[in-house]
Amino acid sequence: GAGVSQSPSNKVTEKGKDVELRCDPISGHTALYWYRQSLGQGLEFLIYFQGNSAPDKSGLPSDRFSAERTGGSVSTLTIQRTQQEDSAVYLCASSFSTSSYEQYFGPGTRLTVT
Amino acid sequence: ILNVEQSPQSLHVQEGDSTNFTCSFPSSNFYALHWYRWETAKSPEALFVMTLNGDEKKKGRISATLNTKEGYSYLYIKGSQPEDSATYLCAFPEAGTALIFGKGTTLSVSS
Repeated sequence: GAGVSQSPSNKVTEKGKDVELRCDPISGHTALYWYRQSLGQGLEFLIYFQGNSAPDKSGLPSDRFSAERTGGSVSTLTIQRTQQEDSAVYLCASSFSTSSYEQYFGPGTRLTVT
Repeated sequence: ILNVEQSPQSLHVQEGDSTNFTCSFPSSNFYALHWYRWETAKSPEALFVMTLNGDEKKKGRISATLNTKEGYSYLYIKGSQPEDSATYLCAFPEAGTALIFGKGTTLSVSS
């Protein structure tokens, strides 16, 4: 079956512009996660959606970052007024339920802010 | 804030060598421990999710053990092959939700 997909695969944007990153999870997976990996850093948790519950936004680095998940499926991560430090690979993952289940990762979006 | 530590940071072995890495995590409020393999230009791929103290899991030449009382897990690779070259990540769910990842162990296997 289809895995997790993300778009775009690469995005170059100018500092100060807004960007939207999209994630299509595996059908039937109720949990969806966003992570990012900045240069030289490990994977950093950003936000977590579980079913119809309020998302866990505790990992978002600033109020310029927001995410939504429509209809319990597709998710969009929005970064407003991008800064150079936002440059990173943004990864989306989904899992069947809670974190005792393995997560399936998408191919990522490489964001470069110039 | 949870801290997941991995060692060594990087490792270079010859084809056929066996090797192991360590993941340390908080021993209180244990929920699960994940291992992932991340090859260059690919997505992280789940290897194991371990939930019980004393768990041992195996997938081909790769195996893992778990000690929740002392807060560590070992990942073993027997007879390393060049295709095993990757970064191996362990992760621990904070409050049973999203995963907190270690910085990984990068393995390079020479033929």
